[in-house]
Amino acid sequence: AQSVAQPEDQVNVAEGNPLTVKCTYSVSGNPYLFWYVQYPNRGLQFLLKYITGDNLVKGSYGFEAEFNKSQTSFHLKKPSALVSDSALYFCAVRGPMNTGFQKLVFGTGTRLLVSP
Amino acid sequence: DAGVTQSPTHLIKTRGQQVTLRCSPKSGHDTVSWYQQALGQGPQFIFQYYEEEERQRGNFPDRFSGHQFPNYSSELNVNALLLGDSALYLCASSLGSRAANTEAFFGQGTRLTVV
Repeated sequence: AQSVAQPEDQVNVAEGNPLTVKCTYSVSGNPYLFWYVQYPNRGLQFLLKYITGDNLVKGSYGFEAEFNKSQTSFHLKKPSALVSDSALYFCAVRGPMNTGFQKLVFGTGTRLLVSP
Repeated sequence: DAGVTQSPTHLIKTRGQQVTLRCSPKSGHDTVSWYQQALGQGPQFIFQYYEEEERQRGNFPDRFSGHQFPNYSSELNVNALLLGDSALYLCASSLGSRAANTEAFFGQGTRLTVV
């Protein structure tokens, strides 16, 4: 069964500094990995995905994520944080589609707080 | 292009009642999934509909049921509501098996409160 771990409940960073939100996963076969962001009282917004190819994936709003197969990690990064990046971030994994219709399995979320 | 739309946005029900939540997928999408997000938790998969059939189900009791219509819209029904059913219910749409590596798009959710 698939699983995702987000080891930090909250990450604090000053505006302008780089940020990293950590995610590790467990899945049989090659993973499909996703990052979503959730603002208060809103649904989830897609940021980026890793399917195959380059280990560094670029996404929306200047975010990027690095896939590391040996460490089974998919950490979210941004070179320079903005106060408006403050939100709840979810990592999700989906198993190979050749096993049928697949659900997304989410981590518990990491709250990012960017201070001015 | 409208994204995923859900209705209603908020709902208050009494224990034991039944509720129906609705979802219209993003234009061009044919697959709808439903998730429950309890306060302070990540979304949990309830079930997925494709071609008007339930294709996969998460660890939820039979009180949770759904339907998909020919226009791909979907309903989530919950019977005999419990206090623990209070949560944000999220609908996600995507392309089915024809485009296996596409991302899911989420609606803004329906906040259900059971009192």
